[in-house]
Amino acid sequence: EVQLVESGGGVVQPGGSLRLSCAASGFTFDDYAMHWVRQAPGKGLEWVSLISGDGGSTYYADSVKGRFTISRDNSKNSLYLQMNSLRTEDTALYYCAKGGYRVYWGQGTLVTVSS
Amino acid sequence: NFMLTQPHSVSESPGKTVTISCTGSSGSIASNYVQWYQQRPGSAPTTVIYEDNQRPSGVPDRFSGSIDSSSNSASLTISGLKTEDEADYYCQSYDSSNPWVFGGGTKLTVL
Repeated sequence: EVQLVESGGGVVQPGGSLRLSCAASGFTFDDYAMHWVRQAPGKGLEWVSLISGDGGSTYYADSVKGRFTISRDNSKNSLYLQMNSLRTEDTALYYCAKGGYRVYWGQGTLVTVSS
Repeated sequence: NFMLTQPHSVSESPGKTVTISCTGSSGSIASNYVQWYQQRPGSAPTTVIYEDNQRPSGVPDRFSGSIDSSSNSASLTISGLKTEDEADYYCQSYDSSNPWVFGGGTKLTVL
């Protein structure tokens, strides 16, 4: 059974940093690209970032480019999102998602950016 | 930038059939696969349709997906509506600029 468990969310001041983690199990982790997707309170889904299975290719939404960095450690079956220069508009529930023909989602971790 | 447009909300009675549309802003929606996700209140999204019309194991056959090239739209149809189908539904496809593009979501009310 595919399982994705996010962690690392919390409350941070504008301009601060946070590192999210996603622990994966139930599939061959390095065979799949992985995504981060976020959902602001009461809003829709917004794609944030993608990393290829070997970690060699990364992609970002314009809204986070230059501030967020996606990475993965295939030896630990883990995905990460380093978030710097956080803004109030980054407040959201952050989901990790397994790519492939059928997408699996974690339960999300909440990031609140507020002074 | 490529966009996917969904109706904000739809409603229908139990036992009836409802169709949710997802219209592409440019190009051909048939050029890339469309996925559909269900998000019940307070829960994470789950996949109900992948690759335009494929149903994951465990998803009832009341859910079906299709593509209409003439209207550049994808559709999610749910037949025999149940109260448990009440949720937000999102379509998702791909773009040369962004690996994933989501529609704005449709709130389905079963009343």
